[in-house]
Amino acid sequence: SQELEQSPQSLIVQEGKNLTINCTSSKTLYGLYWYKQKYGEGLIFLMMLQKGGEEKSHEKITAKLDEKKQQSSLHITASQPSHAGIYLCGAVVLYGNKLVFGAGTILRVKS
Amino acid sequence: DGGITQSPKYLFRKEGQNVTLSCEQNLNHDAMYWYRQDPGQGLRLIYYSQIVNDFQKGDIAEGYSVSREKKESFPLTVTSAQKNPTAFYLCASSSPGLVNEQFFGPGTRLTVL
Repeated sequence: SQELEQSPQSLIVQEGKNLTINCTSSKTLYGLYWYKQKYGEGLIFLMMLQKGGEEKSHEKITAKLDEKKQQSSLHITASQPSHAGIYLCGAVVLYGNKLVFGAGTILRVKS
Repeated sequence: DGGITQSPKYLFRKEGQNVTLSCEQNLNHDAMYWYRQDPGQGLRLIYYSQIVNDFQKGDIAEGYSVSREKKESFPLTVTSAQKNPTAFYLCASSSPGLVNEQFFGPGTRLTVL
């Protein structure tokens, strides 16, 4: 079965600093989703990557897919308190029309 | 506004009782999903349905049951056979296909006393 490992598990950054979250798959990635979650709430879609080398940005958040490494990275530039939350990656499972998720990365931003 | 609703937000039950969690969507999506979220474990798939009157077991279906009698509704029953039911439950829906975004509801936190 496909598994996703996210790193780090949690991090605390000073407001204004940059940060990167990684998501590594045990199998080939055919599509990779990034979601954000506030504690006790539902998931908010950030972006979806399909092709190797693809890079997408939304405001100050950029995600990239490295197919060879079976890895995706999420980069936040000039972090703000509004960026705090749990970031989850989800990979498309080739057969079954479903996603498998990583354990999540908890981000705290100190102001 | 289109979206997914889950009710109730918080649910308390005594051990040994069955409980049903509601999930309704007005996005006209064919596919619906139920996930369980525990601290430090991310989301795990319980059941999913790609079309009305059809559903498949996910990775942790034991102790749960679902029905899909209507396109917009996908209720989840947590039975007394589920050994550790206390968790945060999330419902999602999407258009069919591998690369379509899943939209999530706000979740239901179930606590079994």
